[in-house]
Amino acid sequence: EAGVTQFPSHSVIEKGQTVTLRCDPISGHDNLYWYRRVMGKEIKFLLHFVKESKQDESGMPNNRFLAERTGGTYSTLKVQPAELEDSGVYFCASSQDGMGSGYTFGSGTRLTVV
Amino acid sequence: AQSVSQHNHHVILSEAASLELGCNYSYGGTVNLFWYVQYPGQHLQLLLKYFSGDPLVKGIKGFEAEFIKSKFSFNLRKPSVQWSDTAEYFCAVTRSGGYQKVTFGTGTKLQVIP
Repeated sequence: EAGVTQFPSHSVIEKGQTVTLRCDPISGHDNLYWYRRVMGKEIKFLLHFVKESKQDESGMPNNRFLAERTGGTYSTLKVQPAELEDSGVYFCASSQDGMGSGYTFGSGTRLTVV
Repeated sequence: AQSVSQHNHHVILSEAASLELGCNYSYGGTVNLFWYVQYPGQHLQLLLKYFSGDPLVKGIKGFEAEFIKSKFSFNLRKPSVQWSDTAEYFCAVTRSGGYQKVTFGTGTKLQVIP
């Protein structure tokens, strides 16, 4: 079974630019999550999709972040315009049952805003 | 809202030494508890979990954790570490019942010296 795949693995962009991160969940997993880890801090929840619908987006930091999951398959997370504090590792996870024990994580995208 | 504290940010041990990583959470209700591990260059993966029942939980690779409700703790232990245990370890919690987002601790980096 293929795991959760994230693209790109690394991205370096200038402040003010736009970046789009992509996550391909495990096939058949309706639940898809985005998390972010800022350097040295905890991994923080951003949002949760059930199929194509946003179940919980309480962790999205501000309106510069836009997540989509068209057709309930892969998801994108766009940051526009990027700020320095957006730097960190963005993790995607998917699960069948919506519980933390069923999460499969991707390897993450390391975003650096300079 | 629940929170998780991991007291050790960086631990260095020699091979065969015993390991105990501390984890405390704050939430008054019923919780599910997890330890995740991230080996260098790899994705986050589940080490062990506690939902209910025996508070002593055994996970993969010889790890175990004990849930002590009165202390709001879920410490991770291993009697004898190996160089291959070098990784970052995350304690995490969700509220019990249905979908609940995962709250992670800040992580503990374990370095095992051969």
